[in-house]
Amino acid sequence: QVQLVQSGAEVAKPGASVKVSCKTFGYSFNNYYVHWVRQAPGQGLEWMGRINPKSGATNYAQTFQGRVSMTRDTSITTAFMELSSLRSDDTAVYYCAVWSGYNWFDPWGQGTLVTVSS
Amino acid sequence: DIQMTQSPSTLSASVGDRVTITCRASQNISNWLAWCQQKPGKAPKLLIYKASNLDRGVPSRFSGRGSGTEFTLSISSLQPDDFATYYCQQYNGYIWTFGQGTKVDVK
Repeated sequence: QVQLVQSGAEVAKPGASVKVSCKTFGYSFNNYYVHWVRQAPGQGLEWMGRINPKSGATNYAQTFQGRVSMTRDTSITTAFMELSSLRSDDTAVYYCAVWSGYNWFDPWGQGTLVTVSS
Repeated sequence: DIQMTQSPSTLSASVGDRVTITCRASQNISNWLAWCQQKPGKAPKLLIYKASNLDRGVPSRFSGRGSGTEFTLSISSLQPDDFATYYCQQYNGYIWTFGQGTKVDVK
């Protein structure tokens, strides 16, 4: 059974960085892209990017280019998303999700609330 | 990046109504389009992939149509569990994007 377990809520200051983890269970980690999607309070879903766990290759939305880094540790089947130069409008719930090739694995990660505040 | 525009932003409807949501892409995405449903405080759930294919376990009252740049999600007879926010999502190429969402609420 697929499970994606994310790290806990974070509070960070403007200008700082935050790193969120997504521990995966129940499927072959190397075979499927891990995606990151965020949702600001009361707002819609925003696709941030994805990582190929096998090769480490990444694709990022233009909005986040230069500020986001997605990595993985295959030995612990975990993906990471680090966002730097944080601003108040980065306050959001960050989700990890896995695409099978034709659909999203269900469920997504439970979400990690990142609050950016001085 | 490809822009996805949904309409309407909010749709007020009653149980039993047929509802249709439209999603337009800023360029041709063939049929690389999915629809997701999200309820407050929960992660999204996939309803439809590749424009018209129902995901496993999704009720048959949901249907998707379209290709190229224009797509629709229809619910044939709205049920109480269907009041939620719906997002289209394109996955043509390396960079993906979501529409801004359509909230279906009680009329």
